[in-house]
Amino acid sequence: SQKIEQNSEALNIQEGKTATLTCNYTNYSPAYLQWYRQDPGRGPVFLLLIRENEKEKRKERLKVTFDTTLKQSLFHITASQPADSATYLCALVGRTGANNLFFGTGTRLTVIP
Amino acid sequence: DADVTQTPRNRITKTGKRIMLECSQTKGHDRMYWYRQDPGLGLRLIYYSFDVKDINKGEISDGYSVSRQAQAKFSLSLESAIPNQTALYFCATSDAGGTGELFFGEGSRLTVL
Repeated sequence: SQKIEQNSEALNIQEGKTATLTCNYTNYSPAYLQWYRQDPGRGPVFLLLIRENEKEKRKERLKVTFDTTLKQSLFHITASQPADSATYLCALVGRTGANNLFFGTGTRLTVIP
Repeated sequence: DADVTQTPRNRITKTGKRIMLECSQTKGHDRMYWYRQDPGLGLRLIYYSFDVKDINKGEISDGYSVSRQAQAKFSLSLESAIPNQTALYFCATSDAGGTGELFFGEGSRLTVL
């Protein structure tokens, strides 16, 4: 079965630096990969999606890369701010059906002022 | 008002009790989902529904049942709650024609004593 690993359960970074979160997967060939943000006690909120044939996607201070050879996605937040502190989830999306979206366990990011 | 509303937000109950969690949405989406979230295990799919007449089991459906009362309403029932069903439950919706982006409710925290 598919396995999704997000690097370190928690990541601390100084304000202004670039935060890099990793999502690795095995035993799956996703059509695309999604990233969500989740604040404590709240539901996840969709941030970005990248397709298998895309290498990189950007949205404001966010950048996502997708390497299907390495089976890895990197999620970058540039010029990080304390307000970026949250848990970030990656999700693999398959080609058909609804039971084809699998979430990683998330990385809790803390941006230190 | 939230696009995806869950009730109750918090519930404490005893082993053996029947519990219903309700979800309603104003997104106009056909697809609705129930997930549970546990520390270290991430989000796991319980049931999903592509339209009012469609119900499908997810990864962890044992001990749960659902009802799709209308396009906008999808409820999750625990017929006889047990302590290992203590978790945070999320309802989500998605657009059938989209790329699988999920819109989550705020969650229902269930504690079974």
